[in-house]
Amino acid sequence: QLQLQESGPGLVKPSETLSLTCTVSGGSIGSTYLYWGWIRQPPGKELEWIGSIYFSGATYYNPSLKSRVTMSVDTSKNQFSLNLNSVTAADTAVYYCARHYQLLGPGTHTEYFQYWGQGTLVTVSS
Amino acid sequence: QSVVTQPPSVSGAPGQRVTISCTGSGSNIGAGYDVHWYQHFPGRAPKLLIYGNNNRPSGVPDRFSGSKSGTSASLAITGLQAEDEADYYCQSYDSSLRGVVFGGGTKLTVL
Repeated sequence: QLQLQESGPGLVKPSETLSLTCTVSGGSIGSTYLYWGWIRQPPGKELEWIGSIYFSGATYYNPSLKSRVTMSVDTSKNQFSLNLNSVTAADTAVYYCARHYQLLGPGTHTEYFQYWGQGTLVTVSS
Repeated sequence: QSVVTQPPSVSGAPGQRVTISCTGSGSNIGAGYDVHWYQHFPGRAPKLLIYGNNNRPSGVPDRFSGSKSGTSASLAITGLQAEDEADYYCQSYDSSLRGVVFGGGTKLTVL
């Protein structure tokens, strides 16, 4: 059974960079049709997709966050990472990593998150 | 405010059938993009419940079913059980926003 585990600081100061890593076990990060994504949920609000990365390093970001987001992948460690810069209190949220299945083709566009980590709370505060 | 809307809460008695709606627009569900559903118990990893509008991953009971029509989709749960009490989210793709979008979530209470 595939498992994902988020790790990183639980507290980040305003204007600094939030950095999280997701470690994948029980499966390889280098599979076709599979991106690896980040989703967050601020307290009391809905889920928000942040972006996703392919094992080749190709990225796919939420346009609303694109200017502040960088993702990377380390296939040797079966990990992928998220950096979100210039954070504010509005970036306080539970951050989830997930396996993102995507299939695009003539008349076909489907993408969804097959497996998720348990999430990690990141608070932005001085 | 999500571009895909769900009722904040629904409830039902054990054994009953409940439905959760997911309403979008012409740039997401109405454009033909698939709808997917997740079950989330607070503090745990969200779980994929329905993919591709009406498909269940292995291990998901057939009490859960999905449908889609026009700009809306629905999740139906039959034979409601206490263990079904959780938050449920729909998800699709939006061509105007150029990305994945989630509904606001619905809290299911089993009376």
